[in-house]
Amino acid sequence: AQSVTQPDIHITVSEGASLELRCNYSYGATPYLFWYVQSPGQGLQLLLKYFSGDTLVQGIKGFEAEFKRSQSSFNLRKPSVHWSDAAEYFCAVGRMDSSYKLIFGSGTRLLVRP
Amino acid sequence: DAGVIQSPRHEVTEMGQEVTLRCKPISGHNSLFWYRQTMMRGLELLIYFNNNVPIDDSGMPEDRFSAKMPNASFSTLKIQPSEPRDSAVYFCASTWEGNYGYTFGSGTRLTVV
Repeated sequence: AQSVTQPDIHITVSEGASLELRCNYSYGATPYLFWYVQSPGQGLQLLLKYFSGDTLVQGIKGFEAEFKRSQSSFNLRKPSVHWSDAAEYFCAVGRMDSSYKLIFGSGTRLLVRP
Repeated sequence: DAGVIQSPRHEVTEMGQEVTLRCKPISGHNSLFWYRQTMMRGLELLIYFNNNVPIDDSGMPEDRFSAKMPNASFSTLKIQPSEPRDSAVYFCASTWEGNYGYTFGSGTRLTVV
């Protein structure tokens, strides 16, 4: 069965520092992978997605993620965090069938120190 | 583009009452998803529709939950009777067939007392 694991419940970084949020997936084939961000009281917004091709994908707000098949990982990175990046981040895997269903990880809450 | 519109934003109801949550997807999107978010269980897919037809409702927790999509621009999620354990944020999301990049609504925070 598909699953997504985000091992870090909370991460705190200083403003201006680099960020890496971890995501591991379990799927029998090459998955479709996504990162979403949720600000307090808001819905989820798509940051970036990976379907195939270049394993380093660029997203909005300066985020990028790298797909590593050997590690079953899709970690999210940002070189310099801004206070406005404080939010909850969700990794998700999509089934490669006609359902277009997304399975979400449990999320990582990012706190940014001034 | 107004995005996915959900109403109400907040709902407080008494146990046993009927609750109806509403969603208007983005025009042109033909897939619609209802998710529930709680601290304990995270984001759970309840049901999804494709071209107004329910495709998979295996995530609906029990018979008290029902969902409809009478046309391409409107969907409802109904809970009857409601229970305190139904308290959660309910999200609606839509996309077009073949696109996994869902657009989420802002959610309805349901509190059942």
